[in-house]
Amino acid sequence: EPEVTQTPSHQVTQMGQEVILRCVPISNHLYFYWYRQILGQKVEFLVSFYNNEISEKSEIFDDQFSVERPDGSNFTLKIRSTKLEDSAMYFCASIIDRAKTQYFGPGTRLLVL
Amino acid sequence: QKEVEQNSGPLSVPEGAIASLNCTYSDRGSQSFFWYRQYSGKSPELIMFIYSNGDKEDGRFTAQLNKASQYVSLLIRDSQPSDSATYLCAVSTSYGKLTFGQGTILTVHP
Repeated sequence: EPEVTQTPSHQVTQMGQEVILRCVPISNHLYFYWYRQILGQKVEFLVSFYNNEISEKSEIFDDQFSVERPDGSNFTLKIRSTKLEDSAMYFCASIIDRAKTQYFGPGTRLLVL
Repeated sequence: QKEVEQNSGPLSVPEGAIASLNCTYSDRGSQSFFWYRQYSGKSPELIMFIYSNGDKEDGRFTAQLNKASQYVSLLIRDSQPSDSATYLCAVSTSYGKLTFGQGTILTVHP
């Protein structure tokens, strides 16, 4: 069964450094999402991406964040200058149609020191 | 602010009992409703989705939706210790974006 994959599974970085989190959505899916979950808190929407552009973003998704689909398979989330409060699990999700069910990747645990 | 509210629990039920999980949402324009299960340190795993008012059954799970009351519930029959997890209610709005509740911690004890 196809699944969403994410790399790396864990990332430790110093405050102020740039990180890129990678996702490979399910191959025939058209809508892509990033969510984050700070430890002990709820899953929060960051951004949705369709047709090679951002379709919606939350207030969390400020100028420090960007997303890209550099080729036909990868979907990346870049944080330009990490802050301590960016420490969280980051989940990628994809769907074939926005009325359908979202499938989540296993997540990347980001720790900013 | 569009919210999804859940009782954080923990909800403790004995093995074999029915676990009842509840969720309310504030956005009347919400169209799709989901229940995910999340184990500690893992990603959300879909259990059920429901789009229309009424009940939807899948094995031991039944989702119930009442749009007039803005209420969604999940019943787990014959609860097993392996059902112990955090259950997330999620509501889909524009562009398929999911808004999640805080989650309800369920513990099923033998």
